[in-house]
Amino acid sequence: KQEVTQIPAALSVPEGENLVLNCSFTDSAIYNLQWFRQDPGKGLTSLLLIQSSQREQTSGRLNASLDKSSGRSTLYIAASQPGDSATYLCAVNDYKLSFGAGTTVTVRA
Amino acid sequence: DTAVSQTPKYLVTQMGNDKSIKCEQNLGHDTMYWYKQDSKKFLKIMFSYNNKELIINETVPNRFSPKSPDKAHLNLHINSLELGDSAVYFCASSQAGTSGLGQETQYFGPGTRLLVL
Repeated sequence: KQEVTQIPAALSVPEGENLVLNCSFTDSAIYNLQWFRQDPGKGLTSLLLIQSSQREQTSGRLNASLDKSSGRSTLYIAASQPGDSATYLCAVNDYKLSFGAGTTVTVRA
Repeated sequence: DTAVSQTPKYLVTQMGNDKSIKCEQNLGHDTMYWYKQDSKKFLKIMFSYNNKELIINETVPNRFSPKSPDKAHLNLHINSLELGDSAVYFCASSQAGTSGLGQETQYFGPGTRLLVL
């Protein structure tokens, strides 16, 4: 059974600092890994999808890396802004999505 | 235009009642999903349909019955509601992908907040 862990559970940083969010998973036989953002009381927004054959994906200030053999992914958010405050969810796809519990990020102005 | 929509947005009901949640996607996807997010914010898949066929059913009580009248719709009917059914229910959709199911990005609806009293 796939288990997904996200560390830390919560993070508070001053504006401008870089964010590093970690995700680990137990079974490396995956198709892909997706990072989502969830704002309070809202749905999920897909940020990045990394296929199992890829090492990283980039979109604007976001960069996600994947080390499938060690069961780890990291989401980097450069030069954080207050608008980046949200919960970030990692989800591993091994025929279905298994989610971590999320990292709640607060960026202080 | 909303890509994945759900109705209703909020649902407050009594224990024992039967209720339905509707989901529609206009993305042309062939796979749709239902997820449950509990009070601890943990998201778990419940069902997945591909081209109107059930492909994933994750140990969900049989009081929950999904129905897919066509590829663009996946509804969730819940019988005899219990207190523990209170949660946020999310619908999502994706393309199946060239190498198998669920390989493409999943797009989520805004959620339906269900409160059972």
